[in-house]
Amino acid sequence: QKEVEQNSGPLSVPEGAIASLNCTYSDRGSQSFFWYRQYSGKSPELIMFIYSNGDKEDGRFTAQLNKASQYVSLLIRDSQPSDSATYLCAFLGSNTGKLIFGQGTTLQVKP
Amino acid sequence: DTAVSQTPKYLVTQMGNDKSIKCEQNLGHDTMYWYKQDSKKFLKIMFSYNNKELIINETVPNRFSPKSPDKAHLNLHINSLELGDSAVYFCASSLGLAGIEQFFGPGTRLTVL
Repeated sequence: QKEVEQNSGPLSVPEGAIASLNCTYSDRGSQSFFWYRQYSGKSPELIMFIYSNGDKEDGRFTAQLNKASQYVSLLIRDSQPSDSATYLCAFLGSNTGKLIFGQGTTLQVKP
Repeated sequence: DTAVSQTPKYLVTQMGNDKSIKCEQNLGHDTMYWYKQDSKKFLKIMFSYNNKELIINETVPNRFSPKSPDKAHLNLHINSLELGDSAVYFCASSLGLAGIEQFFGPGTRLTVL
């Protein structure tokens, strides 16, 4: 089992729609979860982090965490073409302190 | 004012050569990392240093040797380059050991011919 599983996509949504990106992780002890955005040819940048079960909202972005199901998601409301990128899910290993990344989901927002 | 910078941005070299990638951060962070991103986009940690001390050393061939002369710099030297070393190498830094928010450099695309 991979440590972090994401659907590689591409996920295609029309402009203005809600994009839903999902991720499952293997480390039951992890307390810290992250979403990084990576534009093609660029470096990853942190857009959201979440530590507690439930929802965390920041502008058009909402991160959702369910530790019992070992599931974390990212919702992007009112998707814009500029949101087209690869979204990397990551968690901080509970015993290692390492940031473990998923393969990423490529999002395409079509005008 | 680049927060995390890497040089060179591109590196094309022959198998068997030795090369180095340099990284500098001006954020005042005390922890720095090297990541490798392969062609399938998996981003995997290789090493991390905290205040010049090696903290994380993943299962990486010993042809890869990091060096941190001070907490603002972390270099990566690779000996006897192989085809499979072709990837994008990212340097990153964070405040503290937990690495809650890591800031990434622009990456170095290494191509081994």
